[in-house]
Amino acid sequence: EVQLLESGGALVQPGGSLRLSCAASGFTFNTYAMSWVRQAPGKGLEWVSGISDSGGSTYYTDSVKGRFTISRDNSKNTLYLQMNSLRADDTAGYYCARRLYGVYSFFDSWGQGTLVTVSS
Amino acid sequence: EIVLTQSPATLSLSPGERATLSCGASQSVSSNYLAWYQQKAGLAPRLLIYDASSRATGIPDRFSGSGSGTDFTLTISRLEPEDFAVYYCQQYGSSTGTFGQGTKVEIK
Repeated sequence: EVQLLESGGALVQPGGSLRLSCAASGFTFNTYAMSWVRQAPGKGLEWVSGISDSGGSTYYTDSVKGRFTISRDNSKNTLYLQMNSLRADDTAGYYCARRLYGVYSFFDSWGQGTLVTVSS
Repeated sequence: EIVLTQSPATLSLSPGERATLSCGASQSVSSNYLAWYQQKAGLAPRLLIYDASSRATGIPDRFSGSGSGTDFTLTISRLEPEDFAVYYCQQYGSSTGTFGQGTKVEIK
């Protein structure tokens, strides 16, 4: 069974940093592209960042470019999102999601999410 | 970037009725790479439809997707109580993958 378990969400002050993790199990992690998708309270889904199976290619939505860094450790079956210079509008639940057929694919599995709150 | 616009924002229907949800794209979606997801309160989204019309594993056949180019539709043939939720479309013809703003299907 595919399982994705996010962690690392917390309350952080504006300008602060946070690192999210997503532990994967139940599938061959290093053969799948992955992404982070967020959802602000009461709002819709927003794709944030993606990474290829090898980690060699990364992608970001414009609002997080230069502030967030996606990475993965295939030896640990773990996906990361390093978030710096956090702003109030980064407040959201952050989901990691698996892309079934590479970077140009839909999300077939999702974690349960971890909440990031940016506030003073 | 492709912008997806879903309509209506809210659909009020009774169990047993047919639901028709629309998703319009600002430009043609490459290879009809369009997915639909269902999200219930407090839970992660669940994949329903991919490639515009293919049902994901385990999805009941009352859910169907259609369309091509810039106009797509999700149809729920007969609403069951567990189908009342928010539905999102998503295009994945690029390495990003934009979502529509969602349609809430609520009990009338």
